[in-house]
Amino acid sequence: AQKITQTQPGMFVQEKEAVTLDCTYDTSDQSYGLFWYKQPSSGEMIFLIYQGSYDEQNATEGRYSLNFQKARKSANLVISASQLGDSAMYFCAMRPLNTGGFKTIFGAGTRLFVKA
Amino acid sequence: GAVVSQHPSRVICKSGTSVKIECRSLDFQATTMFWYRQFPKQSLMLMATSNEGSKATYEQGVEKDKFLINHASLTLSTLTVTSAHPEDSSFYICSALEGTGGGSTLFFGEGSRLTVL
Repeated sequence: AQKITQTQPGMFVQEKEAVTLDCTYDTSDQSYGLFWYKQPSSGEMIFLIYQGSYDEQNATEGRYSLNFQKARKSANLVISASQLGDSAMYFCAMRPLNTGGFKTIFGAGTRLFVKA
Repeated sequence: GAVVSQHPSRVICKSGTSVKIECRSLDFQATTMFWYRQFPKQSLMLMATSNEGSKATYEQGVEKDKFLINHASLTLSTLTVTSAHPEDSSFYICSALEGTGGGSTLFFGEGSRLTVL
């Protein structure tokens, strides 16, 4: 069975500082993808970053980077130079790449508050 | 990125009526779409996988007769909440898979907030 765990219900960060949102996962699949999504108060889900289990390098997208540690089964999101607009819910997600009908499961989420 | 449009964004209906929510992929073809339900301050719960031209695959515990899914074309999937009751009130989000295989990315619609009175 697959499982995503986000242990931080809420996080505070000062504007312009970096913040790390934790995500651990469990899967029996050999090939899988890890994703992070942002959900602002409007409700829309915004795709941020993707990491494949076979990727040797950590993914980066602008101010977002994914700290992927396969042996520890962790895929933490790092947001550098936080902005007020980064305040939102953040969900870590996982999907098998070869099996399971490409179903994506989500963690419980972390609410990020950026302070001015 | 790819665009997925969901309509309506908000709907209020009386108990016992049916409500249809549309999910469209605007700039790509999506053979697979997914429907999620999200309760306040909770995560997204996968309800069903919608496959173009075939029956939807429902997750365990989801009533297929209450939540009718139709994926009639490569750009449109609909979710119909039949005989809605107050406990069906929730935020429903659709998503569409762009691309094929492992490199595919999931894009989401804006969500539909259903309130059943």
